[in-house]
Amino acid sequence: SQELEQSPQSLIVQEGKNLTINCTSSKTLYGLYWYKQKYGEGLIFLMMLQKGGEEKSHEKITAKLDEKKQQSSLHITASQPSHAGIYLCGADNQAGTALIFGKGTTLSVSS
Amino acid sequence: DAGVTQSPTHLIKTRGQQVTLRCSPISGHKSVSWYQQVLGQGPQFIFQYYEKEERGRGNFPDRFSARQFPNYSSELNVNALLLGDSALYLCASSLVGNQPQHFGDGTRLSIL
Repeated sequence: SQELEQSPQSLIVQEGKNLTINCTSSKTLYGLYWYKQKYGEGLIFLMMLQKGGEEKSHEKITAKLDEKKQQSSLHITASQPSHAGIYLCGADNQAGTALIFGKGTTLSVSS
Repeated sequence: DAGVTQSPTHLIKTRGQQVTLRCSPISGHKSVSWYQQVLGQGPQFIFQYYEKEERGRGNFPDRFSARQFPNYSSELNVNALLLGDSALYLCASSLVGNQPQHFGDGTRLSIL
């Protein structure tokens, strides 16, 4: 079965610093999704990547998909306290009928 | 526009009981998926429904069942509750399949 490994598991950065979170799949990626979750709450959709080499940005967050490496990265520029939370990557299963999630990366931003 | 709504927000049950969780998708979305999230883990897929038909089932025992209604809302039922069923249960909706899924705030289920 497919597994997604996220690194790092947790991250503490100073406000204003840049950071990158990685998501590596054990199998071919058909679609990759990034979500943000506040503790105990629902997931907020950030971005969807479907093609190798695809890159998308929203405000200060940029996500890239490297199909050959079966990997995606999420980069936050000039981090703010509002960026704090748990970042989850999810991937389509082969049938497109489920999302497989990584365990998440917990981000703390100190001011 | 209203997002995905789930009810109840919190629930406390005892072992052996049965529970029903409810989900209303975003207007126009025909696909509903259910996930279980235990503390410190990513969500685990339980079911996906599209146009009232089951399209996918995760690795969960038969105690878990679901259905989707003509108005695309959905219910998740869990029978013979175990302590290990304590988790946040998330519902997500999409126009179709995984493209992309939008999540509700979840139902926190605690089993005593």
